[in-house]
Amino acid sequence: GAVVSQHPSRVICKSGTSVKIECRSLDFQATTMFWYRQFPKQSLMLMATSNEGSKATYEQGVEKDKFLINHASLTLSTLTVTSAHPEDSSFYICSAADRAYGYTFGSGTRLTVV
Amino acid sequence: SQQGEEDPQALSIQEGENATMNCSYKTSINNLQWYRQNSGRGLVHLILIRSNEREKHSGRLRVTLDTSKKSSSLLITASRAADTASYFCATGGGTSYGKLTFGQGTILTVHP
Repeated sequence: GAVVSQHPSRVICKSGTSVKIECRSLDFQATTMFWYRQFPKQSLMLMATSNEGSKATYEQGVEKDKFLINHASLTLSTLTVTSAHPEDSSFYICSAADRAYGYTFGSGTRLTVV
Repeated sequence: SQQGEEDPQALSIQEGENATMNCSYKTSINNLQWYRQNSGRGLVHLILIRSNEREKHSGRLRVTLDTSKKSSSLLITASRAADTASYFCATGGGTSYGKLTFGQGTILTVHP
């Protein structure tokens, strides 16, 4: 089946620094990738939809200058949390959509900003 | 805002018992999906039911869909401790594989 690799799985960073999270589709090409944020014991909240070669579409209330998304190839999308602050601490999950495999999710990244 | 509302929010049962989780949604759908999430991990797709289907089975899973009530249920029979996880319904997507909207989820704990 389809596999989406997400790295890193955990990251701790200092307040004010930037963190990049990678999401790769390993055996298929994903024209569309999605980025979600999840707080403890809550559901997934869509942050943005990323299409290869074009600008990401952000959900209402998500700061595009703070959460930079790049989808430069059909197998890689990145989310950069810029100038991270403790309130950005959360679990971030990517998902890739493909007609053959449907939606495949990465294993998530636990971001802790100290 | 979340399309789906799920109940119960948390469910605690003994091994061997059945677990039923419910999901309600607000707009018309093409299909509804159920996902499982182990703690601190990504989501795993369990089953998809189309809007013209009323019931679907997959192993110990049984999903029902009532489009008139805009609701779905997920039944796990003969539960095991390994079934302990969070379960989410999701709507949206469609043939163009657009964005999904997730319900609030049910945290299932199965005690051995």
